[in-house]
Amino acid sequence: AQKITQTQPGMFVQEKEAVTLDCTYDTSDPSYGLFWYKQPSSGEMIFLIYQGSYDQQNATEGRYSLNFQKARKSANLVISASQLGDSAMYFCAMREGIQGAQKLVFGQGTRLTINP
Amino acid sequence: NAGVTQTPKFQVLKTGQSMTLQCAQDMNHEYMSWYRQDPGMGLRLIHYSVGAGITDQGEVPNGYNVSRSTTEDFPLRLLSAAPSQTSVYFCASRYGLSGANVLTFGAGSRLTVL
Repeated sequence: AQKITQTQPGMFVQEKEAVTLDCTYDTSDPSYGLFWYKQPSSGEMIFLIYQGSYDQQNATEGRYSLNFQKARKSANLVISASQLGDSAMYFCAMREGIQGAQKLVFGQGTRLTINP
Repeated sequence: NAGVTQTPKFQVLKTGQSMTLQCAQDMNHEYMSWYRQDPGMGLRLIHYSVGAGITDQGEVPNGYNVSRSTTEDFPLRLLSAAPSQTSVYFCASRYGLSGANVLTFGAGSRLTVL
């Protein structure tokens, strides 16, 4: 079974609109962490936001927030007031428990395009 | 700080040739790792290291060797390249061994095997 599933291969959004990128995960370990990374066309991987399974509040970092729904096993990334520079691939990733702490598993990614 | 430096950025090999992708970090990070990125498949872990002299396999280790003789360097060796190893390779490191710590990635190395 896929550990991380990103069901949206591509999304197109108008500039200044909010956008939600979906991520669902599969784990039976109560301790895990979820990451979002951005990969612009230049190719580098840029860390955006992290959510731990025991964190009481949803993570936020500037225009990025994580809609963490533990019971549904989803960790959607919300970008408010999108900008042209937000056009990129976005990857959701998970590390599981203590044994899996050294292994980050990535989803297949969502290509986001912001239209002017 | 240079961060994580990968060389070369681009490489073309013929089937059966060997090569080493270099990775160096100057942040005194204990943990280093190699990923490959293929279209539609995200990033997959090849090998990782939690300190000098310690390495372990990730999800797709076959066809690759690694060693960690110093904290700074973590080279990835392809002993006999195959077309299936055509990919973009990323080296990443992080401070400490907590899974909550953030990975810092290198710029990537694009490898083509003919």
